[in-house]
Amino acid sequence: DIVMTQTPLSSPVTLGQPASISCRSSQSLVHSDGNTYLSWLQQRPGQPPRLLIYKISNRFSGVPDRFSGSGAGTDFTLKISRVEPEDVGNYYCVQATQSPRTFGQGTKLEIK
Amino acid sequence: EVQLVESGGGLVQPGGSLRLSCAGSGFSFSNYWIHWVRQVPGKGLAWVSRINGDASSIIYADSVKGRFTISRDNAKNTVYLQMHSLRAEDTAVYYCARDSKVYGGVDYWGQGTLLTVSS
Repeated sequence: DIVMTQTPLSSPVTLGQPASISCRSSQSLVHSDGNTYLSWLQQRPGQPPRLLIYKISNRFSGVPDRFSGSGAGTDFTLKISRVEPEDVGNYYCVQATQSPRTFGQGTKLEIK
Repeated sequence: EVQLVESGGGLVQPGGSLRLSCAGSGFSFSNYWIHWVRQVPGKGLAWVSRINGDASSIIYADSVKGRFTISRDNAKNTVYLQMHSLRAEDTAVYYCARDSKVYGGVDYWGQGTLLTVSS
């Protein structure tokens, strides 16, 4: 199975400041079809996960443009340009290149 | 509007059985793979099982293989997770989630249903 490793596991940030979360996979996430199936999920307290970013860098419907994704191969990053109060929660990377689907451990974003 | 609604969670004794349901609406249900993903309260997400649109392809996590069975009834727009030989470590919120070929992964999640395995 592909192991997904996120850093940091906890990220205290100041409102209005940027935040960045890294995700590294144990093997390349480039699929044989040429796509890289790496997504980012947000889970607010008490809520189910919600898709933020798909295929590395594409924002899902309704996701604010302060969220962006980047990376390639085995190294990926989620960035929030200016953290808002509603961004508090846990963030997970997940790969769909190979079965079974595997998730990062999660990064808790909290306000300083 | 795409909706996934789980039901069937509850308190079960170790060794017991339970069936979870996931009802979908707002989309062409039979065209989509559906996953079950679980989350121990306060912990991360763990993939459990997946079924394709016509139930011809099914896979399980090693931790539930031989104990859990996923199935679907497209006439009822529902996916099921039959769970047997339940253990304390199966205690979790169970989410069903829709897989999208367009987005290359899960795009919509249900609200989840809590399974507690305890004597």
